Amino acid sequence: GAVVSQHPSRVICKSGTSVKIECRSLDFQATTMFWYRQFPKQSLMLMATSNEGSKATYEQGVEKDKFLINHASLTLSTLTVTSAHPEDSSFYICSARDPREETGEKLFFGSGTQLSVL
Amino acid sequence: GQSLEQPSEVTAVEGAIVQINCTYQTSGFYGLSWYQQHDGGAPTFLSYNALDGLEETGRFSSFLSRSDSYGYLLLQELQMKDSASYFCAVSSPRDNYGQNFVFGPGTRLSVLP
Repeated sequence: GAVVSQHPSRVICKSGTSVKIECRSLDFQATTMFWYRQFPKQSLMLMATSNEGSKATYEQGVEKDKFLINHASLTLSTLTVTSAHPEDSSFYICSARDPREETGEKLFFGSGTQLSVL
Repeated sequence: GQSLEQPSEVTAVEGAIVQINCTYQTSGFYGLSWYQQHDGGAPTFLSYNALDGLEETGRFSSFLSRSDSYGYLLLQELQMKDSASYFCAVSSPRDNYGQNFVFGPGTRLSVLP
């Protein structure tokens, strides 16, 4: 199946700093990528949909200036958590659909990034 | 809005059969998917239903009733490695373009020896 690579897997940073998370589709082109946030033992909450070459679509309640998304190529989307604070500590995970898949309903996930803000 | 409901926890023994239910309310609907997630890992796709009926993939089967806004995941011949969280997810149209994937709260399955 398709492979989605996400880096870094874990990051610890000081409050006030910015953190960039990369999500790459390794063997397919993804015009759309999805960014989720997950708290321990909870569901995946969709934060935003990243669209190649255009602005991301943010879910209600997600601060656009706080979580900057860039999808500059068909294989790379980045999420930057700006001026991170302890409440931003969470598991962030990206996903994409492989256009070669018949139904297009199958999401391939990156391995996730555990962000800890001190 | 969109909402999905699943049982929070299910416990079963090795070799048994377990059914995880999912009910949903959405303004639009393309299909229902199921994902498995082990602790600390990424979700992996299990199955997808767009039409009513049963889809079988090895030990896993998934069922959908669009009229009832209901689906379930059936796991047979349970193994210890099946202990994980299982999420149903609805895909639906988003505004005038694109597609949304919204996940249910997840069901934590514990398989006992």
